[in-house]
Amino acid sequence: EPEVTQTPSHQVTQMGQEVILRCVPISNHLYFYWYRQILGQKVEFLVSFYNNEISEKSEIFDDQFSVERPDGSNFTLKIRSTKLEDSAMYFCASIGGTGSGEQYFGPGTRLTVT
Amino acid sequence: AQKITQTQPGMFVQEKEAVTLDCTYDTSDQSYGLFWYKQPSSGEMIFLIYQGSYDEQNATEGRYSLNFQKARKSANLVISASQLGDSAMYFCAMREASYGGATNKLIFGTGTLLAVQP
Repeated sequence: EPEVTQTPSHQVTQMGQEVILRCVPISNHLYFYWYRQILGQKVEFLVSFYNNEISEKSEIFDDQFSVERPDGSNFTLKIRSTKLEDSAMYFCASIGGTGSGEQYFGPGTRLTVT
Repeated sequence: AQKITQTQPGMFVQEKEAVTLDCTYDTSDQSYGLFWYKQPSSGEMIFLIYQGSYDEQNATEGRYSLNFQKARKSANLVISASQLGDSAMYFCAMREASYGGATNKLIFGTGTLLAVQP
């Protein structure tokens, strides 16, 4: 069964550094999402992406964040100048755009900012 | 604004018994979707079940069923014949469909941690 993949599974970075989290959505999917889950808290929407542009973003998704689909398969989340409070699990999700809209989630990247 | 409420931070259930995890929602949209996801200790998000607001029958997927009461705005998850492997965090989520339809973002509740006891 096709699945969303994410790399790395765990990233440790120092405060102020830039990180890029990578996702490979399911190949025929058209809509892509990033969510964040701070440890012990609920999953929060960050941004959605369609047709090579952001379709919606939350108030969490400020100028520190950016997304890109650099080629036909990867979908990246860049966090510039990381802060301690950026430590969280980051999930990528994708859907094909039809049916129930079930979002297929990747396994997540745990980001630790020290 | 749409909102999902899960009032049970933790639940215990004996193996082989049924358990109900509560979820209430608030939305002004007539068209929306409700989802349940399972998050085991390994961290991944596993889709369990979906209910559309216009679906007249409650959704079922194997041992999972969704008790959808539209007038009460509740979408409780029922797990029958609990297994040890069901121990996990369970999240209820909603997607409004008034604009963008099935591609809108999901809004999650705070989750319920289920522990299945042998």
